[in-house]
Amino acid sequence: AQSVTQPDIHITVSEGASLELRCNYSYGATPYLFWYVQSPGQGLQLLLKYFSGDTLVQGIKGFEAEFKRSQSSFNLRKPSVHWSDAAEYFCAVRPVHKLVFGAGTILRVKS
Amino acid sequence: DVKVTQSSRYLVKRTGEKVFLECVQDMDHENMFWYRQDPGLGLRLIYFSYDVKMKEKGDIPEGYSVSREKKERFSLILESASTNQTSMYLCASLTGDNTEAFFGQGTRLTVV
Repeated sequence: AQSVTQPDIHITVSEGASLELRCNYSYGATPYLFWYVQSPGQGLQLLLKYFSGDTLVQGIKGFEAEFKRSQSSFNLRKPSVHWSDAAEYFCAVRPVHKLVFGAGTILRVKS
Repeated sequence: DVKVTQSSRYLVKRTGEKVFLECVQDMDHENMFWYRQDPGLGLRLIYFSYDVKMKEKGDIPEGYSVSREKKERFSLILESASTNQTSMYLCASLTGDNTEAFFGQGTRLTVV
């Protein structure tokens, strides 16, 4: 069965520091992979997605993610975090007609 | 812009009540979903529908049912609400090429 693991429940970084959120997936075929962000009281917003091609994908708000098939990973990165990035981040994999989500990582940004 | 609209942001219902959560999308998407979001558990799929009158169980369908009479509307029904169904419920629709899901703002349901 398809599954997504986000090993870190909470992460705290200082404003201006770099960020990496981890995501590992389990899926037999070539995966479609996504990162979503949910700000407090808001719905989910798509940050970026990967289907094929270049394994480093760029998204909105300065985020990028790298697909590594050998490690079954799709980690999200940002070189310099802003206070407004504090939110919950979800990694997801798409088998056929649905999305399977990880448990989420809550990002706290300290000034 | 695609819009997925959930009829209520907050609901408080009593145990045993029948509860309807409504979701409407305006982009003619065929695939629609209901997820439940709980802290530490992420989003878990309750039901999804890939066409009018078609539905498939997700990972946690027990205690829920759905209705899709029109393409734009997907309803989640709690037949007899229980306190363990207190949660945030998110509706989503998926583009025709299955490359992007759009989410509603969510309904926070409290069952007392």
